[in-house]
Amino acid sequence: GAGVSQTPSNKVTEKGKYVELRCDPISGHTALYWYRQSLGQGPEFLIYFQGTGAADDSGLPNDRFFAVRPEGSVSTLKIQRTERGDSAVYLCASTPLPGVGTQYFGPGTRLTVL
Amino acid sequence: KNEVEQSPQNLTAQEGEFITINCSYSVGISALHWLQQHPGGGIVSLFMLSSGKKKHGRLIATINIQEKHSSLHITASHPRDSAVYICAVYMDSNYQLIWGAGTKLIIKP
Repeated sequence: GAGVSQTPSNKVTEKGKYVELRCDPISGHTALYWYRQSLGQGPEFLIYFQGTGAADDSGLPNDRFFAVRPEGSVSTLKIQRTERGDSAVYLCASTPLPGVGTQYFGPGTRLTVL
Repeated sequence: KNEVEQSPQNLTAQEGEFITINCSYSVGISALHWLQQHPGGGIVSLFMLSSGKKKHGRLIATINIQEKHSSLHITASHPRDSAVYICAVYMDSNYQLIWGAGTKLIIKP
């Protein structure tokens, strides 16, 4: 079956603009994660969904970041008033069930804020 | 101090060499992930383990819960093994992964 997909693969935007990043998890996977990976660093947790609800959004850096998963499948990460420091690869992962389990990663979206 | 530390940060070896990458953690965990990330590529889970040892092809992962230490070994290394290898842990009763910074491995032909 299809793996986790993310769109766009690359996004270049100007400082101050709004962006949306999309994640399509593996069909039927209940849990969905968003991570951010800066150059030379390991991924950093942003938010975790169980079904439609955000079970933990403690990793979101500030209120410019928001994520939704309205139907429990596709998720959108939204960043308002982008800043140059938001430039990173944004990774999405899903697992079949909530809790500890193998995470299946998408290819990531590379965001560049000029 | 990071909760998950990997060593070495960078490793260059010749094809055929036996490779060891180490991961130490300072928190109680329920499981540990070893993952692989190729340049420009996505992240692939190699192993998830909570005790003992797992083997898949030329890759072997071990974990010592008492010592809070895990190792990833690659036997008969090949240039296609060149990638960043990342250790990540699930903290006790938690769904969050705490990530190491990764080890960049280059295997020269």
